[in-house]
Amino acid sequence: DAKTTQPNSMESNEEEPVHLPCNHSTISGTDYIHWYRQLPSQGPEYVIHGLTSNVNNRMASLAIAEDRKSSTLILHRATLRDAAVYYCILRPTSGTYKYIFGTGTRLKVLA
Amino acid sequence: GAVVSQHPSWVICKSGTSVKIECRSLDFQATTMFWYRQFPKQSLMLMATSNEGSKATYEQGVEKDKFLINHASLTLSTLTVTSAHPEDSSFYICSARGDVNQPQHFGDGTRLSIL
Repeated sequence: DAKTTQPNSMESNEEEPVHLPCNHSTISGTDYIHWYRQLPSQGPEYVIHGLTSNVNNRMASLAIAEDRKSSTLILHRATLRDAAVYYCILRPTSGTYKYIFGTGTRLKVLA
Repeated sequence: GAVVSQHPSWVICKSGTSVKIECRSLDFQATTMFWYRQFPKQSLMLMATSNEGSKATYEQGVEKDKFLINHASLTLSTLTVTSAHPEDSSFYICSARGDVNQPQHFGDGTRLSIL
C-alpha cells in the first residue's frame, strides 16, 4: 500500500492561508489523493480529493504536483474551527479501495 | 448528504461482556462499510472491510472471532466486541461508501471503556 508523509504539526494565524503538504512518492498512476480532517473525539470529515488536476470546493483547494509525488491542501482563510488533524490518504482503484491512514498533521490555529 | 450515524457514542461496561456498535448510512446505500480503531494520540487503524451480504475481510492481526461484523443491509453494519477486556478499550469508528468511486463517509465514533 502506498504511503504518505506529512509534517507532524503546523501552526497558522487566524484569517491567514494555510498550506498543508503531503509527500507520496510511491503513488501509483491510478491512486486518488484524498484529504480528511478529524476534530477531537469525532470521526474524520471528508475535505477534498483529486487524481491529477487541481481541485477546489467550498472547504479547500487541492494542488497536485505534476509528477503526482506530492500534494498540498490549501485552506484559504484559517479559522479556529479549522484546528484539527489533517490526513492525506492514497486511495487505490482496485481491490477493496481501502484507506491506510498515516499520522497526519495537527494544525493549530492561533487567534 | 452522505450522513453516517454511529450508536452508541460511548459505552462503559464490565470485563467479559459483549458490546454491539451500530453504523448506519442515513441518506445513501452503503455497499461497503469499514471499521476502524483509534487509540489515544494515534491514527486510525483499519480493522475490517464489509460488503453487504458478504463475510467481512479482516486486516492482519485482527481477531475475527473477537470482533464480529455483520452487514446485513445496505444501510446497517454492526460490530460486536465479544468478551471485552480492558485492552479492548478504544475509540471505534465506522465509515460507509456507496459507489466505489465515492469517498468514505465516517461516523462520529464510539468510545468504548471496559472496566
